[in-house]
Amino acid sequence: GQQLNQSPQSMFIQEGEDVSMNCTSSSIFNTWLWYKQDPGEGPVLLIALYKAGELTSNGRLTAQFGITRKDSFLNISASIPSDVGIYFCAATNTNAGKSTFGDGTTLTVKP
Amino acid sequence: GAGVSQSPSNKVTEKGKDVELRCDPISGHTALYWYRQSLGQGLEFLIYFQGNSAPDKSGLPSDRFSAERTGGSVSTLTIQRTQQEDSAVYLCASSLGAGTNNEQFFGPGTRLTVL
Repeated sequence: GQQLNQSPQSMFIQEGEDVSMNCTSSSIFNTWLWYKQDPGEGPVLLIALYKAGELTSNGRLTAQFGITRKDSFLNISASIPSDVGIYFCAATNTNAGKSTFGDGTTLTVKP
Repeated sequence: GAGVSQSPSNKVTEKGKDVELRCDPISGHTALYWYRQSLGQGLEFLIYFQGNSAPDKSGLPSDRFSAERTGGSVSTLTIQRTQQEDSAVYLCASSLGAGTNNEQFFGPGTRLTVL
């Protein structure tokens, strides 16, 4: 079946540092999504990407939809303690209904 | 409310008992999903409902797991004869459905502990 390879699995960074994580797939998708899950909560959508090559920002977060439609990355600039959590990528096609999720990147930010 | 709600938020049960977990999706969302998340792990797909179509049950781990969606809205996930390995957070999500951008909105989850 379709799988997403998300890396890194975990990151330990100092407050103020920039962070980058990515997802790759052997399959083509027409939508890439990035979610964040805080401890004890359900995942919350951060950024949605609908066009190959699209670069979208949401505050300190920037995500790009790879030109091949098989990958995406998420960058967080100037990290702060509340950025701690698990970040999931997800990919789907418009008529598929279901999304495929990556295994998550656990981010720890040290003050 | 405006978001996906789940109940109960926490459930502790004894091995061998049956449990029912409830999900209220966002009004107007035709698609509903159940996932299981073990501690520190990713999202394990369980089942997907889309409108009146037959559900995609390909992720259910055993025949002890079943789910219903009545009236195209509320869904119940039932686990029969619970085992300790069923302990996890069960997440429900809904979306506008197939033919849309499939952005899923998640509930807060039900934390199930099987003693």
